[in-house]
Amino acid sequence: LAKTTQPISMDSYEGQEVNITCSHNNIATNDYITWYQQFPSQGPRFIIQGYKTKVTNEVASLFIPADRKSSTLSLPRVSLSDTAVYYCLFTGGGFSGGYNKLIFGAGTRLAVHP
Amino acid sequence: EAGVAQSPRYKIIEKRQSVAFWCNPISGHATLYWYQQILGQGPKLLIQFQNNGVVDDSQLPKDRFSAERLKGVDSTLKIQPAKLEDSAVYLCASSLEEQVNYGYTFGSGTRLTVV
Repeated sequence: LAKTTQPISMDSYEGQEVNITCSHNNIATNDYITWYQQFPSQGPRFIIQGYKTKVTNEVASLFIPADRKSSTLSLPRVSLSDTAVYYCLFTGGGFSGGYNKLIFGAGTRLAVHP
Repeated sequence: EAGVAQSPRYKIIEKRQSVAFWCNPISGHATLYWYQQILGQGPKLLIQFQNNGVVDDSQLPKDRFSAERLKGVDSTLKIQPAKLEDSAVYLCASSLEEQVNYGYTFGSGTRLTVV
């Protein structure tokens, strides 16, 4: 089963850009890379997904190199409210069978300081 | 759009007692998931339903855990009897089948403490 590796924790300060890198050496051809965010006492929340190159939305950017063996979540100008756990996951390209489920690792705990 | 509703929000029970959690997914979402999240860890999938049928329950401790999804809408997760190691947050999520790549919506969870 494909596995992701990301740092256990990171610290940053308000206004800085934060980059969280996830390694996934054995990603499958059909896998998409998806990031979720989880605040204390809440369920995880989808923030961004990509297959290759760069994806940007109102929350974050996701950079995926050509070999797709890693990906980087970029949070521009973080604020205290970005303090959360960030999870990097694979999601299947199809929706049949048992492939349509999210498998979480331990995630990266981001602490943003004043 | 209403989110995934879960109740109760908190529950404290003694070991060997039983407990049940309830989940109401987003209207029209065919797929429903129950996850267990132990403090400091990522969520772990317990069971996945497609409508009212079980797709995957390989991680469900079937000697004490059970789940059902009647009429393909609401779902109940039960633990009987509870152990101390069952203390965790139990998260319910739902998705439209055709949006499985990103369309998971999680509830806020039920925090269970077994004493």
